[in-house]
Amino acid sequence: RKEVEQDPGPFNVPEGATVAFNCTYSNSASQSFFWYRQDCRKEPKLLMSVYSSGNEDGRFTAQLNRASQYISLLIRDSKLSDSATYLCVVARSGDTGFQKLVFGTGTRLLVSP
Amino acid sequence: NAGVTQTPKFQVLKTGQSMTLQCAQDMNHNSMYWYRQDPGMGLRLIYYSASEGTTDKGEVPNGYNVSRLNKREFSLRLESAAPSQTSVYFCASRTSGETNTGELFFGEGSRLTVL
Repeated sequence: RKEVEQDPGPFNVPEGATVAFNCTYSNSASQSFFWYRQDCRKEPKLLMSVYSSGNEDGRFTAQLNRASQYISLLIRDSKLSDSATYLCVVARSGDTGFQKLVFGTGTRLLVSP
Repeated sequence: NAGVTQTPKFQVLKTGQSMTLQCAQDMNHNSMYWYRQDPGMGLRLIYYSASEGTTDKGEVPNGYNVSRLNKREFSLRLESAAPSQTSVYFCASRTSGETNTGELFFGEGSRLTVL
């Protein structure tokens, strides 16, 4: 079982739709959580951090459920430019104390006109 | 505004050849990383360097070596390339010690094909 799991999609949605992605993680010692965005043939870039209380950034809302060990990303009013792969990332301390970041395989979103 | 720069962007090798991927960052970050990305596998950590002078193995280190030349530069070497090393390689950097930031800054990637 992978440490961080995501539905690969693709999620096909029309412009203006609301779409939600979930991500589950298996290591209960995980400390920090993030969503990264990766455009086709480009490098990943940080979209937003995920806080225990939930957080919002414009049309994007991220939530964390530590008890069930999953995080979610909600995108409202989808734009064509939101088409990308969304990577779930979990950070935890490794054996040496250095914080490791573990990436999910990503969920692909396609927004159509 | 260079950020993380990695070279080359594309490379084709024959099995058994060697090569070095170069990476440099200008953000004064302590930590640097090398990842590979393959379809269906996500980003997997090859090696990392928590600070200048230290390197450690990640999830998939076999077949690779690294050198943290100085604070700015972190190179990845394939001594004897194999077809299984065909992948997209990303270098990344991050300020260490900040458990809540987590922002990794990535280079644009190096696409390596081993025939």
